[in-house]
Amino acid sequence: EPEVTQTPSHQVTQMGQEVILRCVPISNHLYFYWYRQILGQKVEFLVSFYNNEISEKSEIFDDQFSVERPDGSNFTLKIRSTKLEDSAMYFCASKRGAGANYGYTFGSGTRLTVV
Amino acid sequence: SQQGEEDPQALSIQEGENATMNCSYKTSINNLQWYRQNSGRGLVHLILIRSNEREKHSGRLRVTLDTSKKSSSLLITASRAADTASYFCATVREGANSKLTFGKGITLSVRP
Repeated sequence: EPEVTQTPSHQVTQMGQEVILRCVPISNHLYFYWYRQILGQKVEFLVSFYNNEISEKSEIFDDQFSVERPDGSNFTLKIRSTKLEDSAMYFCASKRGAGANYGYTFGSGTRLTVV
Repeated sequence: SQQGEEDPQALSIQEGENATMNCSYKTSINNLQWYRQNSGRGLVHLILIRSNEREKHSGRLRVTLDTSKKSSSLLITASRAADTASYFCATVREGANSKLTFGKGITLSVRP
């Protein structure tokens, strides 16, 4: 069964450093998302991406965050200058179609620890 | 406003029993989805129910949706120890860009 692949599975970084989280969505999917889950809290929407541009972003997704689809297969989330409160599990998701009733496929997540 | 609030927050049952988890939401929705998350792992999509559907089955899972009460329930029948996980409901609002809004989740423990 097709999978969304995320790397690395765990990343530890120093506060103030830049991190790039990588995702390979399912190949025929067109809509891509990043969500995050701070330990013990809800899964929160960060950003959605379609046709090489952001279609929606949450208030969490400030200027420190950016997304890119650099080569037609990878979908990356960059955090420019990490803060302690960025520590969370980050999930990438993709879906094939635009309609709300298309199912999402989530990756296994990247656990980001900022120290 | 809070969307996708599950209850109970934690549920412990014996293997073989049924587990019922509830979710309430506040806005009009296009669909509601249930996900499972094993400890520290990714989200696994279990089932999607559209706003015009009232009940849906998938294997040992049964989901109901009551749009008049803005609530949903997930029933897992004949539970197994492997069903131990956190379960989340997530809604897609009408008119939204199909982003998911998650609840806080329910921790289900199935004792062997």
